[in-house]
Amino acid sequence: DTEVTQTPKHLVMGMTNKKSLKCEQHMGHRAMYWYKQKAKKPPELMFVYSYEKLSINESVPSRFSPECPNSSLLNLHLHALQPEDSALYLCASSQGGSREAGELFFGEGSRLTVL
Amino acid sequence: DAKTTQPTSMDCAEGRAANLPCNHSTISGNEYVYWYRQIHSQGPQYIIHGLKNNETNEMASLIITEDRKSSTLILPHATLRDTAVYYCIAGSWGAQKLVFGQGTRLTINP
Repeated sequence: DTEVTQTPKHLVMGMTNKKSLKCEQHMGHRAMYWYKQKAKKPPELMFVYSYEKLSINESVPSRFSPECPNSSLLNLHLHALQPEDSALYLCASSQGGSREAGELFFGEGSRLTVL
Repeated sequence: DAKTTQPTSMDCAEGRAANLPCNHSTISGNEYVYWYRQIHSQGPQYIIHGLKNNETNEMASLIITEDRKSSTLILPHATLRDTAVYYCIAGSWGAQKLVFGQGTRLTINP
C-alpha cells in the first residue's frame, strides 16, 4: 500500500464552522506533512510531524490546528476560517528519521471552499 | 535551502525526449536535487533525486552538471500523460522542509 488517503475530497464551510481534514497512510512512515496550495501556485508547507510530534510550524495562523493521533493519522482542524483560506490542502508522508530521502508521498488533496 | 530557477513553460512533441532544465547556482554541498511533478488536480508525485552523479529510474533521468549549479530532468519518450507541472527542489538529506518553486508547466503535444 503506497497510498496517502485524504478525506473529504471536497469541503464547503462557513466562516463560523468547525471542520476537520483527515489524512491516513499505512506505509509505516514516521513523518507527515500538511501543505496548502492556492490555484496556479506551488504547494506551501504548513506543518510537519515527525514521530508524532510537531517539528515544523511555518507560522500558520491558529485557526488551523494540526493533530497527529498516531503514526498513521494526521488531522487538520479548521475553525473561524476566512474566504482567503480556500485552497487545496495536501497531506504527505515520508519515511522520516535517518532514512529520510526527501521522497514525499502525497495524497490527492482536500479542496476547501470557505464562504 | 538553495533557490531554484526553472522556465515557466515548455512544449514537447509526443514520443520525443523532454529535457527540463533547472538552475540551482547557490546549492550547497550537502543539498540534493529533487524532482516532483503535479498532474492537474492531483497531488505532487516524486520522480527522482540526485546529489552529484547522474541518476536514472523507470520514470526519468537526472543529469547534474559537474559544478552542481544546474541539472536537467529527461523524460526519454514523452507521452500525453506526462503533461504536468514539474518542480525542481534543492534540499539537504533528511530535510523535512522541501520548498516548492514555481515549476515548469510541460505540455506534451500529439
